[in-house]
Amino acid sequence: DGGITQSPKYLFRKEGQNVTLSCEQNLNHDAMYWYRQDPGQGLRLIYYSQIVNDFQKGDIAEGYSVSREKKESFPLTVTSAQKNPTAFYLCAMYRSGYGYTFGSGTRLTVV
Amino acid sequence: SQQGEEDPQALSIQEGENATMNCSYKTSINNLQWYRQNSGRGLVHLILIRSNEREKHSGRLRVTLDTSKKSSSLLITASRAADTASYFCATDARASGTYKYIFGTGTRLKVLA
Repeated sequence: DGGITQSPKYLFRKEGQNVTLSCEQNLNHDAMYWYRQDPGQGLRLIYYSQIVNDFQKGDIAEGYSVSREKKESFPLTVTSAQKNPTAFYLCAMYRSGYGYTFGSGTRLTVV
Repeated sequence: SQQGEEDPQALSIQEGENATMNCSYKTSINNLQWYRQNSGRGLVHLILIRSNEREKHSGRLRVTLDTSKKSSSLLITASRAADTASYFCATDARASGTYKYIFGTGTRLKVLA
């Protein structure tokens, strides 16, 4: 997917469990984003980061956490506080004038 | 909050026909982007049009932007079965002081062979 890799592709979470979704990019972009997509819906912004060691809450940050210790990595943790985590999660990087490059997504299901 | 709204929500056409989908937004923008999403996949960037541009072409894609009406349209000419996907517009929310984009809910296009 053009230099951005998400893993795993499928993830199952038990009630009360924290899980971490991986997002890695090798294009040296500063800006990275996490979006959530529910069936038949658009994308909603969870968190974004425009520089290492800094990140901002998006529109639906509650129940999620992120870190940006390295430029190439922006992992998302879905905590037990997120009561309805079943969704498709998309990581993206952004370059001005070129738009977003998205990863292939992680489908998270609560079991 | 600012949001792009695509219209129609779903569109079904025959192969070879043209497909037109529209996007409306609420506040001033710097640029507008169109993306395609195949089922179960990430989004793919199609085209970016800046606020000072009125029309842009890329292969079989034609995008128009009318800032006075706060709307954009995406035209896919001579559609193919492989064009079956969801199409989203995204607008920047620069007025909020943050650098992030808002996505609409998408148009689901089905091209029948």
